[in-house]
Amino acid sequence: QVQLQESGPGLVRPSETLSLTCSVSGGSISNYYWTWIRQPPGKGLEYIGYIHYSGDTNYNPPLRNRVTISLDTSGNQFSLNLRSITAADTAVYYCARGDNHDRGRCEIWGQGILVTVS
Amino acid sequence: DIQMTQSPSSLSASVGDRVTITCRASQSIGNYLNWYQQKPGKAPKLLIYAASSLQSGVPSRFSGSGPGTDFTLTIGSLQPEDAATYYCQQSFSPPWTFGQGTKVEIK
Repeated sequence: QVQLQESGPGLVRPSETLSLTCSVSGGSISNYYWTWIRQPPGKGLEYIGYIHYSGDTNYNPPLRNRVTISLDTSGNQFSLNLRSITAADTAVYYCARGDNHDRGRCEIWGQGILVTVS
Repeated sequence: DIQMTQSPSSLSASVGDRVTITCRASQSIGNYLNWYQQKPGKAPKLLIYAASSLQSGVPSRFSGSGPGTDFTLTIGSLQPEDAATYYCQQSFSPPWTFGQGTKVEIK
């Protein structure tokens, strides 16, 4: 079955760029919506943005001017870049797959990666 | 953005109890409402989609109702493994937004 796995640094310095990758196994990244969601320690879930294999993207307005999500179809993976990070960006970052009939329905999730900004 | 308000923020119930969590959207979202279960240290898991459709593999004691602005997640007979935090999420219009979560504890 399809599995997602986040990878990237666990510690990032303030003002730098956070770069994470989500590797997709057991299925093709073509088709579907590919989403990033984060969760600060002890808090709720926050949508970051999504990308579709067609190139369609959507970003959460509070993050829009700092975020880029990209797709690597040959590598079967997608990535998150978050610029000018601060301590407020410390969170567990999840990648997820959205359904083609309902873009926001996240039916498959990665295990998450904790990113600390310090 | 569409605001999602969940209640209660936490509850404690006994095994076998019927538990209901409510979620209110700031505008009508049709049936574009999903429920997730999250256990400590784990990723959220999709339980219910389209307000009332049970995700494959999810026990039938979980059910959901809608559509419109007011939604409920019901656990028909609470089991020990249901201890978790539950989130509603609207997928009607991006940015997708989540409720603040309801923590369910077992007495």
